[in-house]
Amino acid sequence: QQQVKQSPQSLIVQKGGISIINCAYENTAFDYFPWYQQFPGKGPALLIAIRPDVSEKKEGRFTISFNKSAKQFSLHIMDSQPGDSATYFCAASKGGRRALTFGSGTRLQVQP
Amino acid sequence: DAGVIQSPRHEVTEMGQEVTLRCKPISGHDYLFWYRQTMMRGLELLIYFNNNVPIDDSGMPEDRFSAKMPNASFSTLKIQPSEPRDSAVYFCASSLNDGTGYTFGSGTRLTVV
Repeated sequence: QQQVKQSPQSLIVQKGGISIINCAYENTAFDYFPWYQQFPGKGPALLIAIRPDVSEKKEGRFTISFNKSAKQFSLHIMDSQPGDSATYFCAASKGGRRALTFGSGTRLQVQP
Repeated sequence: DAGVIQSPRHEVTEMGQEVTLRCKPISGHDYLFWYRQTMMRGLELLIYFNNNVPIDDSGMPEDRFSAKMPNASFSTLKIQPSEPRDSAVYFCASSLNDGTGYTFGSGTRLTVV
């Protein structure tokens, strides 16, 4: 059972554009929603995370929007750069930041 | 800090052989996690430890898989006997007790032929 559904599978954005990746979850017990960035040959690295008591969190060019009633959250990358080209994973966990359930990933390509 | 260290980076083995993957967590981290990444199933949690004690191993696919954490600075994931469908990238991660500092290693790419 896929508890966190992620879309799109792949995304091509022009430099300077906005990249948007969406995730939906099923388990209402989830209380922590991080986004991870993974480059080839590397492990996932935490990018930004949010808890369900806020609707938005911004860190630099990265913003998480959270809709608790719809059980959806999204990652927005503003002013996308070629260096942002990577695979992005949303994730969720319950009872603290322990066992993460990951989405299927989105391969982002930012064209110069 | 050197981060989470995994070895080997690559492992090629024949079906039926025993495979041991190793992980050194970040010093001071209380939690250690083993994940598996495949194209078909994505990133899956296999097992995690708290203070060297296994907490949840419900993600371990079969009895062929076992994990140990004999001390705070070392963990192993063993597959015996290995099968071609075990081919994947295996990641180790560690975190502090409150969940902060959640850091992944660079992974071990396992190929079973």
